[in-house]
Amino acid sequence: DIQMTQSPSSLSASVGDRVTITCRTSRSVSTYLNWYQQQPGKAPKVLIYAASTLQSGVPSRFSGSGSGTDFTLTITSLQPEDFATYYCQQGYSAPWTFGQGTKVEI
Amino acid sequence: QITLKESGPTLVKPTQTLTLTCTFSGFSLSTNALGVGWIRQPPGKALEWLALIYWNDYKRYSPSLESRLTITKDTSKNEVVLIMTNMDPVDTATYYCAHKDFRSGYDWFGPWGQGTLVTVSS
Repeated sequence: DIQMTQSPSSLSASVGDRVTITCRTSRSVSTYLNWYQQQPGKAPKVLIYAASTLQSGVPSRFSGSGSGTDFTLTITSLQPEDFATYYCQQGYSAPWTFGQGTKVEI
Repeated sequence: QITLKESGPTLVKPTQTLTLTCTFSGFSLSTNALGVGWIRQPPGKALEWLALIYWNDYKRYSPSLESRLTITKDTSKNEVVLIMTNMDPVDTATYYCAHKDFRSGYDWFGPWGQGTLVTVSS
C-alpha cells in the first residue's frame, strides 16, 4: 500500500491568510494525487485532481503542485468557508489511500 | 447531474453482517470506465477506502478488509451493495459511496453520497 503523510495535522489561520498543506507519499505516484475538502458534517468534495488541476467550480484561490512523492495544496487569501478539513488521496494504484487530514481552524 | 445516496441500518450488533445500498442517478454503471466505490470515516478520524466495483463487474477491495467485504451491482436498479461481515465496534463509522470516472486517465472519488452513520454496539 502507498502510505500518505499530511502535515500539519491542524493549523490555525485567519481570514485573508495564505495556507499551505503538504502531502508526502511513500513512493512515487507521479501526478496521480487528489485533494479533497470536507466541511463539518458533510461529504468530501474534490478540489484538485492530477496534482494541480482545479476541479470545475472550485475557486482559483486553491492551487496544487508537486509530483513524485511531494505535493502541496495552497489556499491564498483564506475565506470563512475554507475552514474545513483537507485530505490528499493517491490515485496511482489500488488500494487507494488517503492522508490523515489537515484541519484548518480559525 | 450525478447523485448518490446510501441506505441501510444505523445500528448493528457485534458479529452481525452489515448490508448497505448505494442508489445513484445521473449515470449508468454499464458505461465504460465508470465505477462506484465505498469509503468510510470513523467519528473524528480519516477517510478509508473499502471497495470499488467497475462497469465491467471487476471488483477491488481494501486488502485489510477483503475477507469481510463483498461489493455487487444491479445495473437495472442503479444500485451498488456493500456487505461487511462480522461487524465490530471499531467499524462504527460514516459510510459513503462515491462515483469514479476513469475515462480521462486521471480519476478521483466524486460526487459522494451524503453518508450514513453506522454504529456497532450491543
